[in-house]
Amino acid sequence: KQEVTQIPAALSVPEGENLVLNCSFTDSAIYNLQWFRQDPGKGLTSLLLIQSSQREQTSGRLNASLDKSSGRSTLYIAASQPGDSATYLCAVNGAGNNRKLIWGLGTSLAVNP
Amino acid sequence: EPEVTQTPSHQVTQMGQEVILRCVPISNHLYFYWYRQILGQKVEFLVSFYNNEISEKSEIFDDQFSVERPDGSNFTLKIRSTKLEDSAMYFCASRWREGNSHGELFFGEGSRLTVL
Repeated sequence: KQEVTQIPAALSVPEGENLVLNCSFTDSAIYNLQWFRQDPGKGLTSLLLIQSSQREQTSGRLNASLDKSSGRSTLYIAASQPGDSATYLCAVNGAGNNRKLIWGLGTSLAVNP
Repeated sequence: EPEVTQTPSHQVTQMGQEVILRCVPISNHLYFYWYRQILGQKVEFLVSFYNNEISEKSEIFDDQFSVERPDGSNFTLKIRSTKLEDSAMYFCASRWREGNSHGELFFGEGSRLTVL
């Protein structure tokens, strides 16, 4: 059974820092992995999707990497801003036909001005 | 940009009442999902729906839950007799075929259900 873990659970950094959020999963037979952002009490905004055959994806200041064989993904945020404060969720898309997502609990990020 | 829309954004109901949560997926998407997130817990898969039938459901999705696509645009989740533990944020998601979107799921803003 696939399990997804995210470390750290919470992170507080000063504005301008580069930071790394970690996601690990137990079953390497995945189709893809998605990173999401969730603001308090709000919906799920897709940030990046990495296919199982890819090593990384970039969007603006965000870079996500995937090491499928070791069951790890990282989300790198460059030059963090207060507007980046949110919970970041990692979700693994299984290799089955239904493509259901298995989620981590998230990393709660606070970027202080 | 196309988006998944959900209504209501927040619903408060009494225990034992029926609730229907509504979703309008992105118009050319073929696969539809409901997830839920109890406060402070992980997002959990409830059900997937394709070609007018359930393709997979989780253990959570018992006989109290049902889904329907009554017309070409809406996708609904019904809870027949709500329990206190059904209080959660419910998310609808949809996706296109594999080759066009690599299986990426698009989510709505969620419907917060509070059962008293």
